[in-house]
Amino acid sequence: DGGITQSPKYLFRKEGQNVTLSCEQNLNHDAMYWYRQDPGQGLRLIYYSQIVNDFQKGDIAEGYSVSREKKESFPLTVTSAQKNPTAFYLCASSAGHSYEQYFGPGTRLTVT
Amino acid sequence: GENVEQHPSTLSVQEGDSAVIKCTYSDSASNYFPWYKQELGKGPQLIIDIRSNVGEKKDQRIAVTLNKTAKHFSLHITETQPEDSAVYFCAASTGQAGTALIFGKGTTLSVSS
Repeated sequence: DGGITQSPKYLFRKEGQNVTLSCEQNLNHDAMYWYRQDPGQGLRLIYYSQIVNDFQKGDIAEGYSVSREKKESFPLTVTSAQKNPTAFYLCASSAGHSYEQYFGPGTRLTVT
Repeated sequence: GENVEQHPSTLSVQEGDSAVIKCTYSDSASNYFPWYKQELGKGPQLIIDIRSNVGEKKDQRIAVTLNKTAKHFSLHITETQPEDSAVYFCAASTGQAGTALIFGKGTTLSVSS
């Protein structure tokens, strides 16, 4: 099966702990993205990467970090500096020449 | 920067009726406008998109129209079915391929049988 996988589906952490969300794609897409979704809100961009070893901040990057060491992987770390980390996190990817973004199933993070 | 507004926030229709969701955007340089359908607890699914050089696009029961002058685009769903019930998001892109999308806040569509 080709597609985007995110793991785990549900994640629980205590306040003050860093947590890393996984995103893997086997579509051979160049670009990958992380969005955050809160209830009743649209998707907001955290980070995106157009090529390996390069990434750009989105609108709400504070408190988050990413890496892009491999084309197929784009993990997101939610640090303790993120003031309100509880949310639904969505990873997406697109071919380098295409505008079409395809999303993974998401990870719901709950921090208490 | 780009801002996308989406209306209505909720929409209830009877099975078989049509549904229309509208979005406006602020940046005249926007050139790509996708629509996504999101079912509960899942990731958004791309259902249709349109480029700025096209006024209308259809795919079976769904269609999207774009008015560049007024800076708005709309999603039309005909002959609605209960399985069309979901949250629909519009988005816009001002950059090249591989850059971010700016999303509206979503419309919850409920189709009752």
